[in-house]
Amino acid sequence: AQTVTQSQPEMSVQEAETVTLSCTYDTSESDYYLFWYKQPPSRQMILVIRQEAYKQQNATENRFSVNFQKAAKSFSLKISDSQLGDAAMYFCAYSLSSTNTGKLIFGQGTTLQVKP
Amino acid sequence: DAMVIQNPRYQVTQFGKPVTLSCSQTLNHNVMYWYQQKSSQAPKLLFHYYDKDFNNEADTPDNFQSRRPNTSFCFLDIRSPGLGDAAMYLCATSSNRRSYNEQFFGPGTRLTVL
Repeated sequence: AQTVTQSQPEMSVQEAETVTLSCTYDTSESDYYLFWYKQPPSRQMILVIRQEAYKQQNATENRFSVNFQKAAKSFSLKISDSQLGDAAMYFCAYSLSSTNTGKLIFGQGTTLQVKP
Repeated sequence: DAMVIQNPRYQVTQFGKPVTLSCSQTLNHNVMYWYQQKSSQAPKLLFHYYDKDFNNEADTPDNFQSRRPNTSFCFLDIRSPGLGDAAMYLCATSSNRRSYNEQFFGPGTRLTVL
């Protein structure tokens, strides 16, 4: 069974600094997708960034980038120039491409605090 | 704005008293998902609808049921809530079931069982 692990329950970063959130996963499959979702307090969870496992190039979305290490089954999220609005819970998630259900398997989440 | 709406945001029920949570969407998406998220835990998929086709996760208790009367609405029924069912319930939608597709989430309903 696939599992996703986020080993950092809480992280903090100074405004304008860079922070990296860790995620590891376990799977025997070769074709899958990885996601980072952000859940601000009392607000909807939204997609931050997505990575296809068959792509070697790391995904980037503005200030957000990932370090995808397929052999190590690691998928970390780097937030550059952190802003107060980045404060939220961040979930790493996995989806197997062959199931055709879109099912997401989530990690336990990392709460990010941004200090002014 | 197109969105996913969940009502109510907070629901209190008594042990054993049936409760229904509601989700509606203006995105016209084919797929609707229900997740259960307990405190400090990962969201866990309960079931999903692909159009009218209902798909239950193998480990979802029989106590949980769902209805999707039309594209826009989906309901989660908990027939006899126990204390262990207290959680945040998240509804999400997607345009199809392809694994790379983004899921759009509602704000969740926090269920308290007394």
